[in-house]
Amino acid sequence: AQTVTQSQPEMSVQEAETVTLSCTYDTSENNYYLFWYKQPPSRQMILVIRQEAYKQQNATENRFSVNFQKAAKSFSLKISDSQLGDTAMYFCAFMKSRGNQFYFGTGTSLTVIP
Amino acid sequence: DTGVSQDPRHKITKRGQNVTFRCDPISEHNRLYWYRQTLGQGPEFLTYFQNEAQLEKSRLLSDRFSAERPKGSFSTLEIQRTEQGDSAMYLCASSLFDVNEKLFFGSGTQLSVL
Repeated sequence: AQTVTQSQPEMSVQEAETVTLSCTYDTSENNYYLFWYKQPPSRQMILVIRQEAYKQQNATENRFSVNFQKAAKSFSLKISDSQLGDTAMYFCAFMKSRGNQFYFGTGTSLTVIP
Repeated sequence: DTGVSQDPRHKITKRGQNVTFRCDPISEHNRLYWYRQTLGQGPEFLTYFQNEAQLEKSRLLSDRFSAERPKGSFSTLEIQRTEQGDSAMYLCASSLFDVNEKLFFGSGTQLSVL
């Protein structure tokens, strides 16, 4: 079975600063995908960034980047130049290649302080 | 393409009543998922369809829950004889399997069982 662990229930960051959200996972699979999803107070989940396990290069999407450490089974999200609109719950998720379900962590509530 | 839509947004019902939710996925997506989310938790997998076939149901899913996806288009999730423990946000998501493995979520249906 796959498990996803987010050990930081809540975090805060000053506007324009950088923050890193942690995620670890447990799997015996070699090929899989990792995701970070954002859920603002309006509650619709939005994909932030996606990483394929076979790619060594860390994914980047504008101000969002990941630090993917396959051997350590770690997948952290770095948000640079934090903005008030980044305030949300952030969920780390795992899906094995050609799998049939996504496994989510319990989330990290991020607050950006003006 | 207007994204994944869910109806209704909110549902209040009395214990013992039946409720039905609808999800319209992104039109070209062949996979459709139902998740349940309670406050402070990540989404929990309920079931998924590939086209019209329901391929997996969570072992946690009571027999009171049933889902359909006729003709591989929209889906309905019905809960019979609702219980207070069914109160949660019910999320629908769709994806184009084996293409980009990205889940797109709807805004969810918030169910309150009194």
